[in-house]
Amino acid sequence: GNSVTQMEGPVTLSEEAFLTINCTYTATGYPSLFWYVQYPGEGLQLLLKATKADDKGSNKGFEATYRKETTSFHLEKGSVQVSDSAVYFCALSKGSSASKIIFGSGTRLSIRP
Amino acid sequence: GAGVSQSPSNKVTEKGKDVELRCDPISGHTALYWYRQSLGQGLEFLIYFQGNSAPDKSGLPSDRFSAERTGGSVSTLTIQRTQQEDSAVYLCASSSGGSSYEQYFGPGTRLTVT
Repeated sequence: GNSVTQMEGPVTLSEEAFLTINCTYTATGYPSLFWYVQYPGEGLQLLLKATKADDKGSNKGFEATYRKETTSFHLEKGSVQVSDSAVYFCALSKGSSASKIIFGSGTRLSIRP
Repeated sequence: GAGVSQSPSNKVTEKGKDVELRCDPISGHTALYWYRQSLGQGLEFLIYFQGNSAPDKSGLPSDRFSAERTGGSVSTLTIQRTQQEDSAVYLCASSSGGSSYEQYFGPGTRLTVT
């Protein structure tokens, strides 16, 4: 079946450090890939997405590239800020736009000032 | 307009009781989803509704769980004879369907079964 595996946390970095959170997926066909973020005390929100191979999603300085050959969608940011502290979820969906999302287990990120 | 709203925000119930959780999607959104976020299981899909189509119930963990969506808008998730393992945050999301993939999530209902 379809599944998402992401780096286990927690991850603790200093401000301005480089961030990578690894994510790989298993799916038949061509899923859409997402990163969702959950800030402390807030609901889940979409951070970025990519809907086909080699697409790069980007938002708020974060980037992720849809790599079909390695079935990966790693999240990166060149210089993290304290405000990036949150839980990050890699996810996929299949089929039409109205389709359930399959989430990874989440990675808690803490940024030290 | 307003985002997805859920009620109650917190619910404490005794084992064996029934509970109802409510979701108000964004106005005009045709698709509505329920997920559960728990410590042991992460974020898992429960059920989704798309327009007038039959709902996808493939994620419901047992027949104690059911959901309905009245008038294509508000949805209620019902858990009968609650068990302690049902304790979790229940999240609702909606999307506009069409070519949009983005699901907008509500703040969740934290359910605690004692």
